[in-house]
Amino acid sequence: GAVVSQHPSWVICKSGTSVKIECRSLDFQATTMFWYRQFPKQSLMLMATSNEGSKATYEQGVEKDKFLINHASLTLSTLTVTSAHPEDSSFYICSARQGRYSGANVLTFGAGSRLTVL
Amino acid sequence: DQQVKQNSPSLSVQEGRISILNCDYTNSMFDYFLWYKKYPAEGPTFLISISSIKDKNEDGRFTVFLNKSAKHLSLHIVPSQPGDSAVYFCAASAANDYKLSFGAGTTVTVRA
Repeated sequence: GAVVSQHPSWVICKSGTSVKIECRSLDFQATTMFWYRQFPKQSLMLMATSNEGSKATYEQGVEKDKFLINHASLTLSTLTVTSAHPEDSSFYICSARQGRYSGANVLTFGAGSRLTVL
Repeated sequence: DQQVKQNSPSLSVQEGRISILNCDYTNSMFDYFLWYKKYPAEGPTFLISISSIKDKNEDGRFTVFLNKSAKHLSLHIVPSQPGDSAVYFCAASAANDYKLSFGAGTTVTVRA
C-alpha cells in the first residue's frame, strides 16, 4: 500500500532556530500533501495544503512566514518552522493524496514529527 | 471552531464485547465521513468511511452508522480485540473538498 515517510520523527531545538520536517511519498506520486498540527488531547488541525509546483494554501490563523512549506516534487513536501519558539512545540503530521481526483479516503499519513523547542 | 466533535476522550471495553464510538458534526456541508485509527508513534490509518447517501457501511468487524438529521455518526467494533486498542479519529469532508476536519479522538482500551 501507499507509504508516507516523515523525517525526523523527533527533534529538539533551541528557541530562535529553524527546523525542517520532510514528508515523502515512497511509492506513489502525491500532487497534494497536507500538513497538520496536533496538540495533546486535541484533534489534528489542518495547517496548510501543499500543491506540487505551486504555493501552499494556508488555513486561517496559520502564519505562512512562520511555517514555510515547499512542495518541489511529486514525492516531497517540506515544512520549515522558522525562528521556532516554545509555543511551536507540537506534533506535526503530514498526509499525502494520490492523484488529483481521488476520494478523501486515499489520504495516507506519515508517522508524525514531535518538535520540542527549548 | 471545532466542526467535528468526539465527546468521549476514552473508552474501555472488555475483549469480545462491542465498542461504540460516537462523533457529532456541525457543518451541514459535510457529506463524507471517515474513521481513522492511530497507534502511538504512528500516523493515522484509514479504517472505514461512509457517504451521506448511506446510513450504514460495514467492513468485517467494523460498522459505521450515519444519522444525517442528527448530524451524528458512530463506529461499532464487534467483537473488540486487544489489537483494537488505539486512538480513533472521526473525520469529515464536504463535497469536492478533500480537506478533512478531525475530531479530538477517542482512546479505546480493550481489556483481556
